[in-house]
Amino acid sequence: DSGVTQTPKHLITATGQRVTLRCSPRSGDLSVYWYQQSLDQGLQFLIQYYNGEERAKGNILERFSAQQFPDLHSELNLSSLELGDSALYFCASSDPGETQYFGPGTRLLVL
Amino acid sequence: AQSVTQLDSHVSVSEGTPVLLRCNYSSSYSPSLFWYVQHPNKGLQLLLKYTSAATLVKGINGFEAEFKKSETSFHLTKPSAHMSDAAEYFCVVKGGTYKYIFGTGTRLKVLA
Repeated sequence: DSGVTQTPKHLITATGQRVTLRCSPRSGDLSVYWYQQSLDQGLQFLIQYYNGEERAKGNILERFSAQQFPDLHSELNLSSLELGDSALYFCASSDPGETQYFGPGTRLLVL
Repeated sequence: AQSVTQLDSHVSVSEGTPVLLRCNYSSSYSPSLFWYVQHPNKGLQLLLKYTSAATLVKGINGFEAEFKKSETSFHLTKPSAHMSDAAEYFCVVKGGTYKYIFGTGTRLKVLA
């Protein structure tokens, strides 16, 4: 158990809908990262937050947004969902020593 | 710019034989390097990391990796494969302050 929690574990929704994925980092970690993993694209970095502020952006679509709250949990919002958004979404948090710890992921299926 | 290349997308070994998963990196900085393992339908678990201390890094489950600056490599090895080692392995380089760059992964198959 990495100490990073993600909810929900599974999510099934329809095209055009909006969903919110939640992540709680390990106690004491200030950084949160979001990744998308799909069969055709592999593991893609989406976005990073540090202590409530956006720090780095990767291949995140405009339909996706994220935020980190004062209690350090983070939410990834996915809107106008398309079939191609079906993937595993991982959250990770990092310690001051740079090691990333990954959550178990949220499996999103868009029908 | 930083980059990482995992040289094999699939590796098959027999149980009890050595494992070698290859990773080459490119980095303008003195890099931090990591290996992660992902079992089916699970999250990524840290195997080991290199952060400019000893060049031979020991990780969990009998894995180790050697940092070779002259070859820009960070190959992952294990003397004797176990069936439970079957998984996907990712080499990661930390590029700059915030960015982690993942390799495309190597799927390890262990044959009985």
